[in-house]
Amino acid sequence: RKEVEQDPGPFNVPEGATVAFNCTYSNSASQSFFWYRQDCRKEPKLLMSVYSSGNEDGRFTAQLNRASQYISLLIRDSKLSDSATYLCVVNPMNTGFQKLVFGTGTRLLVSP
Amino acid sequence: DAMVIQNPRYQVTQFGKPVTLSCSQTLNHNVMYWYQQKSSQAPKLLFHYYDKDFNNEADTPDNFQSRRPNTSFCFLDIRSPGLGDAAMYLCATSKWADTTDTQYFGPGTRLTVL
Repeated sequence: RKEVEQDPGPFNVPEGATVAFNCTYSNSASQSFFWYRQDCRKEPKLLMSVYSSGNEDGRFTAQLNRASQYISLLIRDSKLSDSATYLCVVNPMNTGFQKLVFGTGTRLLVSP
Repeated sequence: DAMVIQNPRYQVTQFGKPVTLSCSQTLNHNVMYWYQQKSSQAPKLLFHYYDKDFNNEADTPDNFQSRRPNTSFCFLDIRSPGLGDAAMYLCATSKWADTTDTQYFGPGTRLTVL
């Protein structure tokens, strides 16, 4: 089983739609969770950290479910510029060194 | 204002010909990381430096080496590139190595092996 698993997609949605991605992780001791965005042939960029209480940043909402070991990302009112690959990232370490384990990403395509 | 800079952006080398990739940062971060990302795959950590302390991932091949001569620079040396080493190589930095620290990525170097 992969440490971090995501549906690769692509998710094809029209502008203005709401779309949600899920991600599961295998290590129950994982402490930190992130969503990164990666545009084609570019570097990953931090979209948001994911906190136990859930957090929202504009149109983006992230949720963490520790009991079921999954993380979600909700994007409301999708824009064309949201088209990218969204990487679920987990740090399985609970202390010391921060090792990020990336999922393979979920590709989102937003169309006019 | 680039914070993590990688050079070159594109590198072509021949099978077995050593190659060095460069990363520099203006953030004065303590930790520098090297990731390998193959097409349609997740970035995979190769190793990292915490200051001058080198930490190799257990499954990183011996073919990959790294140097960090000072805080700002870190190099990835591939001693004998194989066709399977063709990938995007990403450098990242973080201030500390705390579990919640943000890693900042450079734009990557895309390596082609002929």
